[in-house]
Amino acid sequence: GIQVEQSPPDLILQEGANSTLRCNFSDSVNNLQWFHQNPWGQLINLFYIPSGTKQNGRLSATTVATERYSLLYISSSQTTDSGVYFCAVYSGNTPLVFGKGTRLSVIA
Amino acid sequence: EAGVTQFPSHSVIEKGQTVTLRCDPISGHDNLYWYRRVMGKEIKFLLHFVKESKQDESGMPNNRFLAERTGGTYSTLKVQPAELEDSGVYFCASSLYRDRGLLSTEAFFGQGTRLTVV
Repeated sequence: GIQVEQSPPDLILQEGANSTLRCNFSDSVNNLQWFHQNPWGQLINLFYIPSGTKQNGRLSATTVATERYSLLYISSSQTTDSGVYFCAVYSGNTPLVFGKGTRLSVIA
Repeated sequence: EAGVTQFPSHSVIEKGQTVTLRCDPISGHDNLYWYRRVMGKEIKFLLHFVKESKQDESGMPNNRFLAERTGGTYSTLKVQPAELEDSGVYFCASSLYRDRGLLSTEAFFGQGTRLTVV
């Protein structure tokens, strides 16, 4: 089945710093989603992005499906950005497959 | 519009007991999925309903897990009897439709049920 790899696995940032999270996938995908799991365990939809670039406030995402990767940019990070960021993909008839996540800690 | 809702938010049970988790999807969403995250590891697929039919249950770990979706609305996931390794966070998600081989619509997740088996 499709493999989804996220990097880095852990990231510690000073408040106000910028970061880039990466998601690589091993096969062509129908769609891709980014999620944020907050400290309370909730999975929050960030982006639904099969290709191209989208922006939402301080967050933006780019998916280059032909090269099998997606990037999530976080600018001017805040402590509330802490948590685990997951990338998940649909490929063919498979259910949504998640990467292992990037654990982000933003310190004041 | 209400999102995906899961009950309970937390459950602590003893090994050998039974627990039933409930998921109310977004109204009108035919697709309903169950996932779980065990011990901070990856989020793993359990099963997929299209309306009331099980489309894919390849991720169900064993026959102690039983999922139902009566009338194509809410779904329940029963664990009987629960074992220690069943502890984790169980997520439910729904999406409007899923065309095979075509663009899939966005999946929305509930807040999860944290299950602790002691």
